[in-house]
Amino acid sequence: IQLTQSPSLLSASVGDRVTLSCKGSQNINNYLAWYQQKLGEAPKLLIYNTNSLQTGIPSRFSGSGSGTDYTLTISSLQPEDVATYFCYQYNNGLTFGSGTKLEIK
Amino acid sequence: EVQLVESGGGLVQPGRSMKLSCAASGFTFSNYGMAWVRQAPTKGLEWVATISYDGSSTYYRDSVKGRFTISRDNAKSTLYLQMNSLRSEDTATYYCTRDPAAGSLLLVWYFDFWGPGTMVTVSS
Repeated sequence: IQLTQSPSLLSASVGDRVTLSCKGSQNINNYLAWYQQKLGEAPKLLIYNTNSLQTGIPSRFSGSGSGTDYTLTISSLQPEDVATYFCYQYNNGLTFGSGTKLEIK
Repeated sequence: EVQLVESGGGLVQPGRSMKLSCAASGFTFSNYGMAWVRQAPTKGLEWVATISYDGSSTYYRDSVKGRFTISRDNAKSTLYLQMNSLRSEDTATYYCTRDPAAGSLLLVWYFDFWGPGTMVTVSS
C-alpha cells in the first residue's frame, strides 16, 4: 500500500486548527498511525489504530478516518508542534508516507 | 522510563559488513517484539526488520532479505542488526524501535518507542 500525504508543506498560525491528510492506495482498515518528527530527533508516536492517542500526547492531537482516507488534526497549533508528520500503515505491508512539514507563520 | 540506545554505526565500504546494537532499559525487554526502521538522509522512513519477543520469528523487507539479520539477546536486553553486502542505498540513520504488544508472538506492527538512531554511511 502506498501512502500519499498532503500538503507536503503547511504553514499556519499559533492557535489555528490544522488538518493533515493521508491517503492510501488501498483500504487500510484503520491500521494507521501518525508520527511526529522534530528536527534532529527520532519520530514520536502520536496516534495508533487511526484514533487512539498514545500515552502522554496532548489532547489537541486527534486522528480520524476510514477506508483509504485518514486525517490528523491539531485543534490549536502550538509553537512546539513545528515538525514533520508521517502517517504509517500496517494493514498490508508496512509503509510510511512521505511526510507533511508543519511550520508556524 | 523506556530507553533505547543504538550503537555501531559509521562509514563502511560497499560490500562490507557492519553490526548495529541497541541497548534497552526501563522495561522488560524479553516481553516485547522489536524492530529496526531506517531513514535515508532527507528522505522518509522505511521499516527494515522485526523480531518477536523470544527471537523465534523474524521478518524483513524484501530489499534486505538474505543480507541483514535481526537478532536479540534477552539476557543482555540488547537488539542487533547484522548487515552484510552493504550497498550505497543502505545509507541511512537506523532506529531501534519497540512493538508495543507485550508477551505474545502477536505483534501489532507499529512502534511506540524509538532510540535516537545511529548513522550508517556506505561509501568507498
